[in-house]
Amino acid sequence: NAGVTQTPKFRVLKTGQSMTLLCAQDMNHEYMYWYRQDPGMGLRLIHYSVGEGTTAKGEVPDGYNVSRLKKQNFLLGLESAAPSQTSVYFCASITFQGTLSYEQYFGPGTRLTVT
Amino acid sequence: GQNIDQPTEMTATEGAIVQINCTYQTSGFNGLFWYQQHAGEAPTFLSYNVLDGLEEKGRFSSFLSRSKGYSYLLLKELQMKDSASYLCAVRDSLKTIFGAGTRLFVKA
Repeated sequence: NAGVTQTPKFRVLKTGQSMTLLCAQDMNHEYMYWYRQDPGMGLRLIHYSVGEGTTAKGEVPDGYNVSRLKKQNFLLGLESAAPSQTSVYFCASITFQGTLSYEQYFGPGTRLTVT
Repeated sequence: GQNIDQPTEMTATEGAIVQINCTYQTSGFNGLFWYQQHAGEAPTFLSYNVLDGLEEKGRFSSFLSRSKGYSYLLLKELQMKDSASYLCAVRDSLKTIFGAGTRLFVKA
């Protein structure tokens, strides 16, 4: 997990509250991603960014917003939290070196519980 | 649409060899990843296949057949610490889509 940090590591929210998860990387990677992982399931892509100032929707974007104002930071926002958003959230950053080689790092995860 | 299938669980014996299969149907394909994930931890990168064939890295090998939409991860000389989930993921243009993962239990 070198180089990718997530804040906070744990959080409990009440339904309707809002919060922002921060992902930061110091490797100058262009691509950053937010995933959620629920028990017994793989990672599902929420939103992603291919560069500073750009964002795009993934598989499960509803209820979330993102911003990439600085290259090293990717923020994930929940405007009005719902119990269905209880999950573990992982951030990842990637740089592709040509088509056959790449580096990808995941952050340690944020465990969010919405009651 | 996107569909990535893996077995849910597998059990193998310490010292043995195990093969974890992954089939995919995606709208695009730029490469296939395998990750290892221990409970409560983030995924860690194992391999990335772009071209058909087998790539070996120590005890782990990964195979890809693009025409068949098929990959497998081969783990040799299994150790107890290999008990984990193994995630197959396909890079589709700008994003990576993950399968549900295979939980591997290694028994003594």
